[in-house]
Amino acid sequence: SQQGEEDPQALSIQEGENATMNCSYKTSINNLQWYRQNSGRGLVHLILIRSNEREKHSGRLRVTLDTSKKSSSLLITASRAADTASYFCATGPMNRDDKIIFGKGTRLHILP
Amino acid sequence: GAGVSQSPRYKVAKRGQDVALRCDPISGHVSLFWYQQALGQGPEFLTYFQNEAQLDKSGLPSDRFFAERPEGSVSTLKIQRTQQEDSAVYLCASSFVPGHLNTEAFFGQGTRLTVV
Repeated sequence: SQQGEEDPQALSIQEGENATMNCSYKTSINNLQWYRQNSGRGLVHLILIRSNEREKHSGRLRVTLDTSKKSSSLLITASRAADTASYFCATGPMNRDDKIIFGKGTRLHILP
Repeated sequence: GAGVSQSPRYKVAKRGQDVALRCDPISGHVSLFWYQQALGQGPEFLTYFQNEAQLDKSGLPSDRFFAERPEGSVSTLKIQRTQQEDSAVYLCASSFVPGHLNTEAFFGQGTRLTVV
């Protein structure tokens, strides 16, 4: 079963616009991670935000985490054609022996 | 190489055939994970190794699935008597710390298995 639930499932925007994707989860977490997957490729780690952090930046990426609402958002600013991919959130468990669980992903398409 | 390497990239198997999928993790990485990703879905956890010990195999869907990492580096995922529902991309990931906590995982490009 998958804990993370991304929203929207698919998103198409014009190049240069900002893209926002959301992730909701059910149980307490130690951290939340965002990954990107280009078609037919493996996943690439983008950013990790810990449960005691509220916001984190990396280049054109901005991630927020609201543990009270059990939700996170990923903002990509000034989108480029190369940002076309699927984006997954993954929740890192509180218990060391538990596993990271991925959502179903948001398919982002950047229109030229 | 510098990254996680998986082979083969593509595998077509006839129903009932056995297959073996290989993963070469990043050198020195303690943790190794296998995931199954169906079309249009997120990766689903299969199993986890810490060095050569298989600490969690709760995600393996049936006893036809078997994984090993005998020397704590290369891992093999074996699927016996393949069935059509086994068709998926099988992803391997490794990380340098034990467990799933506070660490990014490095993924291979996956093996796309098609059972016909």
